[in-house]
Amino acid sequence: AQKITQTQPGMFVQEKEAVTLDCTYDTSDQSYGLFWYKQPSSGEMIFLIYQGSYDEQNATEGRYSLNFQKARKSANLVISASQLGDSAMYFCAMREGRGFKTIFGAGTRLFVKA
Amino acid sequence: DSGVTQTPKHLITATGQRVTLRCSPRSGDLSVYWYQQSLDQGLQFLIQYYNGEERAKGNILERFSAQQFPDLHSELNLSSLELGDSALYFCASSGAGGVDNEQFFGPGTRLTVL
Repeated sequence: AQKITQTQPGMFVQEKEAVTLDCTYDTSDQSYGLFWYKQPSSGEMIFLIYQGSYDEQNATEGRYSLNFQKARKSANLVISASQLGDSAMYFCAMREGRGFKTIFGAGTRLFVKA
Repeated sequence: DSGVTQTPKHLITATGQRVTLRCSPRSGDLSVYWYQQSLDQGLQFLIQYYNGEERAKGNILERFSAQQFPDLHSELNLSSLELGDSALYFCASSGAGGVDNEQFFGPGTRLTVL
């Protein structure tokens, strides 16, 4: 069965430093997609980055990169040069190729310190 | 602004009542997804429609139903409301130009059941 695990309920990072948010997943499908979303305190969900299971290169979007380790079933989000505005809840999600259900992890709350 | 609109923004009602949440997807998007976010259950996928047809079903209660209309807007109907239905309900859309890898979320409807 599909499962997404985010083991870090909360993380602190100093402004301008890099931070890695962990995500592991479980699926029996060969085709799937992995997503990261940011939810600031205002509540909206903001799409950050996508990685397909067949993509050979790690996805990058500006200061966000996804460290995809397929054999370990991990899809960690790396935020470089953290900014105060990065303080938010971050969700990892997965969609299996056969179906169209998207499941989300419990989230990691990131606090960026000045 | 994701381009996805949801109305109303807030809704307060009583147990046993019925409400309808409305979503307009981004221009050109054919897929609409509904999610429920609550403190105890996290972010749960409810249902997805693609071009008017139901495509995937998640943890949607029998008291809840949804549909997507020919103009692609969608409605989520919640009936016989219970206290536990209080949550933030998100609509998301995807699929413009055939790309289905990103889901763009609306601002959400916060439902409070008293």
